[in-house]
Amino acid sequence: DQQVKQNSPSLSVQEGRISILNCDYTNSMFDYFLWYKKYPAEGPTFLISISSIKDKNEDGRFTVFLNKSAKHLSLHIVPSQPGDSAVYFCAASKGSSNTGKLIFGQGTTLQVKP
Amino acid sequence: DTAVSQTPKYLVTQMGNDKSIKCEQNLGHDTMYWYKQDSKKFLKIMFSYNNKELIINETVPNRFSPKSPDKAHLNLHINSLELGDSAVYFCASSQSRDWGELFFGEGSRLTVL
Repeated sequence: DQQVKQNSPSLSVQEGRISILNCDYTNSMFDYFLWYKKYPAEGPTFLISISSIKDKNEDGRFTVFLNKSAKHLSLHIVPSQPGDSAVYFCAASKGSSNTGKLIFGQGTTLQVKP
Repeated sequence: DTAVSQTPKYLVTQMGNDKSIKCEQNLGHDTMYWYKQDSKKFLKIMFSYNNKELIINETVPNRFSPKSPDKAHLNLHINSLELGDSAVYFCASSQSRDWGELFFGEGSRLTVL
């Protein structure tokens, strides 16, 4: 039973355009969401997060949107750069008692073409 | 200066053997974790230690035993290795048990033949 799903295994966009990565979750108890970025042969690195009390969080070129009613979040990268090419993982956690126990999606491979 | 380091990065071994993966963090964090990335690429938590105390223990076979000699180290020992144990194992740390941002190591790819 996969509680966090990234239904697009891959995405290809042109440099300078917007990249939109999507994530769906099933557990309404999740209240904190994160995006991680992973390059080959490296560990995931934290990118951006959002609490369930917000519907948007922005950090430079990266914006995460949360739609609680749809149990959906998305990561927007504008403008996309070739260095953004990586695997992006969505993750969720529920409550402080489980913080650190992140439930990850299976990742979306983003390719940004020059 | 690697923040979370794991050794070895690659490990190839025969079924039935016992092996260990070591992890060290120099971030001064209180909490450390082991995650497993399976063949379907899902990252799943196995264990978490906070100040050397086990706080998360997911449904993991008893053949897996974590050990935290101090809060900067979390090792994973696996007994009687099976083919299904082949995966990439990631160590991670966080500032505290209430801090959701994890810092991951580079991963240790275990292949059981």
